[in-house]
Amino acid sequence: SAVISQKPSRDICQRGTSLTIQCQVDSQVTMMFWYRQQPGQSLTLIATANQGSEATYESGFVIDKFPISRPNLTFSTLTVSNMSPEDSSIYLCSGRGRDTDTQYFGPGTRLTVL
Amino acid sequence: QKEVEQNSGPLSVPEGAIASLNCTYSDRGSQSFFWYRQYSGKSPELIMSIYSNGDKEDGRFTAQLNKASQYVSLLIRDAQPSDSATYLCVVKNRGSTLGRLYFGRGTQLTVWP
Repeated sequence: SAVISQKPSRDICQRGTSLTIQCQVDSQVTMMFWYRQQPGQSLTLIATANQGSEATYESGFVIDKFPISRPNLTFSTLTVSNMSPEDSSIYLCSGRGRDTDTQYFGPGTRLTVL
Repeated sequence: QKEVEQNSGPLSVPEGAIASLNCTYSDRGSQSFFWYRQYSGKSPELIMSIYSNGDKEDGRFTAQLNKASQYVSLLIRDAQPSDSATYLCVVKNRGSTLGRLYFGRGTQLTVWP
């Protein structure tokens, strides 16, 4: 299985600030995704991180709020901007390898916004 | 219409029993089906994938797929307290070239000793 790491593992932030989450994957991963999991809910796809170009966002998510970078094949960042308590959630990085449908998930970043 | 539907539970079974988790999906052209397990406070981990009609067994786990009925299930035999978790049914639709997955809301399973 693919190895995916994220940092920070958790953070508590003040309203109006921004937090950048980092994700590192191993070389088996070709596609990278960012998900959000709100308390008691299932996973919601935020965007697909594209190497060297703008991410592909899902309906309801915009680049100004969730800017994403992927400067190379194995690294991506997600920024949660101008945070409000409604952004309190777990943010998960996910990766999929070439020629496979299987996706693996990082350990997640638990964000609390006060 | 929700893409993937699961009974949210909670489902509670005694240790040693069979736990049966069910899932239906809306896109008849769906091709790939997965079951993920998520322990409280942890990220999802893949436990089974199935692509063809019928049963697929892996240890105590059996995934069943019926594309005509648009139905996927997961059976856990000899359930153990360590199986207590939320189980997510996940579907990849036809034509989803970016690998977009659709997640059910999950079924919470509790196995009591």
